Amino acid sequence: KAGVTQTPRYLIKTRGQQVTLSCSPISGHRSVSWYQQTPGQGLQFLFEYFSETQRNKGNFPGRFSGRQFSNSRSEMNVSTLELGDSALYLCASSRSIGTLNTEAFFGQGTRLTVV
Amino acid sequence: GNSVTQMEGPVTLSEEAFLTINCTYTATGYPSLFWYVQYPGEGLQLLLKATKADDKGSNKGFEATYRKETTSFHLEKGSVQVSDSAVYFCALRPPALAQGAQKLVFGQGTRLTINP
Repeated sequence: KAGVTQTPRYLIKTRGQQVTLSCSPISGHRSVSWYQQTPGQGLQFLFEYFSETQRNKGNFPGRFSGRQFSNSRSEMNVSTLELGDSALYLCASSRSIGTLNTEAFFGQGTRLTVV
Repeated sequence: GNSVTQMEGPVTLSEEAFLTINCTYTATGYPSLFWYVQYPGEGLQLLLKATKADDKGSNKGFEATYRKETTSFHLEKGSVQVSDSAVYFCALRPPALAQGAQKLVFGQGTRLTINP
Protein backbone atom coordinates (compact mmCIF):
# COMPACT_ATOMS: atom_id res chain seq x y z
CA LYS A 1 0.00 0.00 0.00
CA ALA A 2 1.10 3.57 -0.59
CA GLY A 3 3.13 5.26 2.13
CA VAL A 4 2.89 8.75 3.53
CA THR A 5 3.20 11.29 0.73
CA GLN A 6 4.51 14.78 1.29
CA THR A 7 4.50 17.53 -1.31
CA PRO A 8 6.47 19.33 -2.43
CA ARG A 9 9.80 17.66 -1.69
CA TYR A 10 11.77 20.89 -1.95
CA LEU A 11 10.80 24.50 -1.54
CA ILE A 12 12.67 27.79 -1.56
CA LYS A 13 10.94 30.84 -0.13
CA THR A 14 11.91 34.40 0.76
CA ARG A 15 11.77 35.85 4.26
CA GLY A 16 8.35 37.27 5.04
CA GLN A 17 6.51 34.99 2.66
CA GLN A 18 4.18 32.21 3.71
CA VAL A 19 4.25 28.56 2.73
CA THR A 20 1.87 25.60 2.75
CA LEU A 21 3.05 22.01 2.94
CA SER A 22 0.87 19.00 2.24
CA CYS A 23 0.73 15.49 3.68
CA SER A 24 -1.36 12.53 2.53
CA PRO A 25 -1.42 9.79 5.16
CA ILE A 26 -1.55 6.07 4.60
CA SER A 27 -5.04 4.95 3.68
CA GLY A 28 -7.05 4.24 6.82
CA HIS A 29 -4.81 6.31 9.07
CA ARG A 30 -6.65 9.07 10.88
CA SER A 31 -3.87 10.68 12.89
CA VAL A 32 -1.34 13.00 11.27
CA SER A 33 1.56 14.59 13.11
CA TRP A 34 4.10 17.15 11.95
CA TYR A 35 7.73 17.49 13.01
CA GLN A 36 10.46 20.00 12.27
CA GLN A 37 14.00 18.69 11.86
CA THR A 38 16.98 21.04 12.06
CA PRO A 39 20.68 20.37 12.71
CA GLY A 40 20.61 22.49 15.86
CA GLN A 41 17.33 21.49 17.50
CA GLY A 42 16.90 17.99 16.11
CA LEU A 43 13.39 16.61 15.67
CA GLN A 44 10.70 18.67 17.33
CA PHE A 45 6.97 18.01 17.46
CA LEU A 46 4.81 20.68 15.86
CA PHE A 47 1.25 19.40 16.16
CA GLU A 48 -1.05 16.44 15.68
CA TYR A 49 -4.44 16.19 14.03
CA PHE A 50 -7.09 13.54 14.39
CA SER A 51 -10.53 13.65 12.78
CA GLU A 52 -9.96 17.21 11.58
CA THR A 53 -9.17 18.44 15.11
CA GLN A 54 -5.84 19.52 16.52
CA ARG A 55 -5.26 17.20 19.47
CA ASN A 56 -1.73 18.12 20.53
CA LYS A 57 0.56 21.05 19.95
CA GLY A 58 4.27 21.60 20.45
CA ASN A 59 6.07 24.74 21.51
CA PHE A 60 6.09 26.70 18.28
CA PRO A 61 4.91 30.26 17.64
CA GLY A 62 1.49 30.97 16.20
CA ARG A 63 3.04 31.48 12.75
CA PHE A 64 2.94 27.70 12.48
CA SER A 65 -0.53 26.33 11.90
CA GLY A 66 -2.15 23.34 10.37
CA ARG A 67 -5.39 21.68 9.45
CA GLN A 68 -6.77 18.31 8.51
CA PHE A 69 -9.42 17.54 5.95
CA SER A 70 -12.21 14.99 6.06
CA ASN A 71 -10.12 12.55 3.99
CA SER A 72 -7.35 12.82 6.67
CA ARG A 73 -5.01 14.74 4.40
CA SER A 74 -3.25 17.49 6.29
CA GLU A 75 -1.60 20.78 5.50
CA MET A 76 0.68 22.93 7.56
CA ASN A 77 1.21 26.61 7.00
CA VAL A 78 4.02 28.88 8.09
CA SER A 79 3.43 32.59 7.78
CA THR A 80 5.96 35.42 7.81
CA LEU A 81 8.85 33.09 7.16
CA GLU A 82 12.13 33.59 9.00
CA LEU A 83 15.57 32.27 8.11
CA GLY A 84 15.37 29.96 11.13
CA ASP A 85 12.36 28.19 9.64
CA SER A 86 14.66 26.49 7.16
CA ALA A 87 14.30 22.82 7.99
CA LEU A 88 13.10 19.41 6.92
CA TYR A 89 9.41 19.14 7.78
CA LEU A 90 8.28 15.59 8.37
CA CYS A 91 4.77 14.28 8.47
CA ALA A 92 3.81 11.03 10.19
CA SER A 93 0.56 9.11 10.09
CA SER A 94 -0.79 6.49 12.44
CA ARG A 95 -3.93 4.44 12.63
CA SER A 96 -5.56 5.97 15.66
CA ILE A 97 -5.07 7.86 18.83
CA GLY A 98 -4.78 6.34 22.27
CA THR A 99 -3.77 2.89 21.06
CA LEU A 100 -0.69 1.68 22.83
CA ASN A 101 0.83 -0.16 19.89
CA THR A 102 0.14 2.39 17.20
CA GLU A 103 3.12 2.96 14.96
CA ALA A 104 3.94 6.25 13.27
CA PHE A 105 4.93 6.03 9.61
CA PHE A 106 6.89 8.95 8.23
CA GLY A 107 6.96 10.58 4.85
CA GLN A 108 10.16 11.62 3.08
CA GLY A 109 9.72 15.20 4.20
CA THR A 110 9.64 18.63 2.61
CA ARG A 111 12.95 20.48 2.61
CA LEU A 112 12.16 24.19 3.12
CA THR A 113 14.86 26.76 2.54
CA VAL A 114 14.19 30.38 3.49
CA VAL A 115 16.47 32.94 1.85
CA GLY B 1 8.83 16.23 31.42
CA ASN B 2 9.67 13.60 28.86
CA SER B 3 13.11 13.50 27.29
CA VAL B 4 15.51 11.18 25.48
CA THR B 5 19.28 11.27 25.65
CA GLN B 6 21.34 9.49 23.04
CA MET B 7 24.99 8.70 22.72
CA GLU B 8 26.80 11.52 20.97
CA GLY B 9 28.03 10.76 17.50
CA PRO B 10 29.36 10.38 15.02
CA VAL B 11 30.20 6.71 15.37
CA THR B 12 32.54 5.08 12.85
CA LEU B 13 33.02 1.32 12.76
CA SER B 14 34.47 -1.26 10.45
CA GLU B 15 32.24 -3.79 8.72
CA GLU B 16 31.33 -6.78 10.94
CA ALA B 17 32.06 -4.85 14.15
CA PHE B 18 29.69 -4.92 17.12
CA LEU B 19 27.47 -1.88 17.51
CA THR B 20 25.99 -0.29 20.60
CA ILE B 21 24.20 3.06 20.60
CA ASN B 22 23.15 4.12 24.06
CA CYS B 23 19.75 5.64 24.79
CA THR B 24 18.28 6.66 28.13
CA TYR B 25 14.97 8.32 28.80
CA THR B 26 13.03 10.32 31.33
CA ALA B 27 9.28 9.89 31.39
CA THR B 28 6.23 9.66 33.58
CA GLY B 29 4.78 6.18 33.74
CA TYR B 30 5.59 3.55 31.12
CA PRO B 31 6.25 5.04 27.69
CA SER B 32 6.57 3.11 24.46
CA LEU B 33 10.11 3.18 23.09
CA PHE B 34 11.30 3.22 19.50
CA TRP B 35 14.36 3.28 17.33
CA TYR B 36 14.03 5.03 13.99
CA VAL B 37 16.60 5.14 11.19
CA GLN B 38 17.08 7.90 8.64
CA TYR B 39 19.01 7.29 5.44
CA PRO B 40 20.44 10.26 3.51
CA GLY B 41 17.71 12.36 1.92
CA GLU B 42 14.95 10.25 3.38
CA GLY B 43 12.37 10.43 6.13
CA LEU B 44 12.36 8.22 9.21
CA GLN B 45 11.80 4.49 9.13
CA LEU B 46 10.75 2.54 12.19
CA LEU B 47 13.51 0.06 13.03
CA LEU B 48 12.10 -1.55 16.17
CA LYS B 49 9.92 -0.87 19.17
CA ALA B 50 9.07 -2.04 22.69
CA THR B 51 5.96 -1.16 24.60
CA LYS B 52 6.56 -2.50 28.10
CA ALA B 53 9.38 -3.24 30.51
CA ASP B 54 11.65 -6.16 29.56
CA ASP B 55 10.26 -6.28 26.01
CA LYS B 56 12.91 -6.83 23.37
CA GLY B 57 12.40 -5.25 19.98
CA SER B 58 14.30 -6.71 17.05
CA ASN B 59 14.55 -6.21 13.30
CA LYS B 60 17.21 -6.71 10.60
CA GLY B 61 19.72 -7.96 13.17
CA PHE B 62 19.22 -4.96 15.46
CA GLU B 63 17.96 -5.44 19.01
CA ALA B 64 17.01 -3.24 21.95
CA THR B 65 15.60 -4.18 25.36
CA TYR B 66 13.30 -1.94 27.39
CA ARG B 67 14.98 -1.62 30.80
CA LYS B 68 12.74 0.13 33.28
CA GLU B 69 15.21 -0.10 36.15
CA THR B 70 17.89 1.79 34.20
CA THR B 71 15.45 3.75 31.98
CA SER B 72 17.41 2.62 28.96
CA PHE B 73 16.79 1.26 25.47
CA HIS B 74 20.22 0.67 23.98
CA LEU B 75 20.47 -0.37 20.33
CA GLU B 76 22.78 -3.28 19.46
CA LYS B 77 23.82 -5.24 16.41
CA GLY B 78 26.30 -8.06 16.38
CA SER B 79 27.83 -7.49 12.95
CA VAL B 80 27.26 -4.23 11.09
CA GLN B 81 27.29 -3.77 7.34
CA VAL B 82 28.13 -0.79 5.14
CA SER B 83 24.43 -0.52 4.34
CA ASP B 84 23.72 0.23 8.04
CA SER B 85 25.32 3.66 7.64
CA ALA B 86 22.59 6.14 8.59
CA VAL B 87 21.38 8.34 11.42
CA TYR B 88 19.65 6.52 14.27
CA PHE B 89 17.06 8.14 16.53
CA CYS B 90 15.79 6.87 19.84
CA ALA B 91 12.28 8.06 20.69
CA LEU B 92 9.53 7.66 23.24
CA ARG B 93 5.78 7.99 23.15
CA PRO B 94 4.16 8.87 26.46
CA PRO B 95 1.64 6.39 27.87
CA ALA B 96 -1.67 6.32 26.02
CA LEU B 97 -3.61 8.00 28.79
CA ALA B 98 -1.21 10.90 29.12
CA GLN B 99 -1.77 14.08 27.21
CA GLY B 100 0.18 14.06 23.99
CA ALA B 101 -0.07 10.34 23.48
CA GLN B 102 0.69 10.57 19.78
CA LYS B 103 3.61 12.90 20.23
CA LEU B 104 7.04 11.35 19.78
CA VAL B 105 9.95 12.76 21.76
CA PHE B 106 13.24 12.16 19.97
CA GLY B 107 16.85 12.03 20.99
CA GLN B 108 19.37 14.08 19.05
CA GLY B 109 20.29 11.26 16.72
CA THR B 110 23.52 9.34 16.25
CA ARG B 111 25.24 9.30 12.87
CA LEU B 112 26.72 5.89 12.13
CA THR B 113 29.27 5.28 9.40
CA ILE B 114 30.43 1.77 8.54
CA ASN B 115 33.65 1.44 6.58
CA PRO B 116 34.32 -1.61 4.37
